[in-house]
Amino acid sequence: QVQLRESGPGLVQPSETLSLTCTVSGFSLTSYGVNWVRQPPGKCLEWMGVIWGEGNTAYNSLLKSRLSISRDTSKSQVFLKMNSLQTEDTAIYFCARDNYGSHFDYWGQGVMVTVSS
Amino acid sequence: DIVMTQGALPNPVPSGESASITCQSSKSLLHSSGKTYLNWYLQRPGQSPQLLIYWMSTRASGVSDRFSGSGSGTDFTLKISSVEAEDVGVYYCQQFLEYPRTFGAGTKLELK
Repeated sequence: QVQLRESGPGLVQPSETLSLTCTVSGFSLTSYGVNWVRQPPGKCLEWMGVIWGEGNTAYNSLLKSRLSISRDTSKSQVFLKMNSLQTEDTAIYFCARDNYGSHFDYWGQGVMVTVSS
Repeated sequence: DIVMTQGALPNPVPSGESASITCQSSKSLLHSSGKTYLNWYLQRPGQSPQLLIYWMSTRASGVSDRFSGSGSGTDFTLKISSVEAEDVGVYYCQQFLEYPRTFGAGTKLELK
């Protein structure tokens, strides 16, 4: 069955770089896109970016200067890297499968990231 | 960016009653394909969002037929008939027409 699982550090220092991994199973990264979405505590969902099956990417313009999404298809992993973290980046980070450009049909359980010194 | 605006529910909703959640987009979500790129998700407390409805009115696999979606190009409604305890959570609409993929602020459903 389709599964996505996020992993990464729970605590990041301000101004440092966040690195998260989304490990997928039950589908191929060359056939489906994977998105990153985040949710600050008690707030709504913010789309961050996507890496498509062909390997190309699209980013939220508000984050584009700090954000990079890549993948390793042999390991079924998608990576998020975001630099210059601030306290406002404290959030739950989700990865979600993109069903051919129409909707997110499967989501990971999310990973909580706190930006604090 | 396309702005998604959601309405509030008159919480709490009595169990067994119906509930309708509204969502409005700042731009028509009608695609040249004829499909309307509006999705609905439910985020139960402590869980990740789950897909309920896509293309405005198509129920996702395994979703109860108590959920139905309707609307026009810019005004949308998610109707929940006979609300149950498992329906409690926050409902989000999302547009998939353009980047960035934007969500509404969410509508909370509480059960009486």
